Amino acid sequence: QKEVEQDPGPLSVPEGAIVSLNCTYSNSAFQYFMWYRQYSRKGPELLMYTYSSGNKEDGRFTAQVDKSSKYISLFIRDSQPSDSATYLCAMKENYGQNFVFGPGTRLSVLP
Amino acid sequence: SQTIHQWPATLVQPVGSPLSLECTVEGTSNPNLYWYRQAAGRGLQLLFYSVGIGQISSEVPQNLSASRPQDRQFILSSKKLLLSDSGFYLCAWSGLAGEVISYNEQFFGPGTRLTVL
Repeated sequence: QKEVEQDPGPLSVPEGAIVSLNCTYSNSAFQYFMWYRQYSRKGPELLMYTYSSGNKEDGRFTAQVDKSSKYISLFIRDSQPSDSATYLCAMKENYGQNFVFGPGTRLSVLP
Repeated sequence: SQTIHQWPATLVQPVGSPLSLECTVEGTSNPNLYWYRQAAGRGLQLLFYSVGIGQISSEVPQNLSASRPQDRQFILSSKKLLLSDSGFYLCAWSGLAGEVISYNEQFFGPGTRLTVL
């Protein structure tokens, strides 16, 4: 079993739809959770960062962490064609230097 | 604000040639620095990380090496490239951002696309 699993997609949705992206993980020591957006041929851009369980909202983006289920989600409201990208989840333990990434989900928002 | 630079942006090299990719970070001090490789359609593979000058940890045994000659400079090298070294190489940092020290968030550079022929 991989440490972090993520559906690779591709996921295609119409413009204006609500998008749900998810990751599951196996390491209960993960405390920090991140979502990155990566456009083609570009470096990943940090979108959301959360600590432990709960929700965090930033504009059209909401990140949710459920540590009891080892499950994190990113919701995108009113999706736009400019949201078309690969979305990577990442996680980190409280101590140590390493970040563990999911393989990414490719999202296409169709106009 | 913090900025991370990588160069070159694109590189095409023959098999067996040497490699040197450079990464520099501005606007912070004592960052943790990381090198990742991303193969087409795949996730990020951690290659090396560094918590200080001259301190390098290797995650994957291979023909690549890394060095950190200065606090905000991280170099990825190879003496002889293999076909399998092709990929998208990303440098990242974590640490002091403004007045906030957070080694739990990571920021990426623009990447170097390497093609080995």
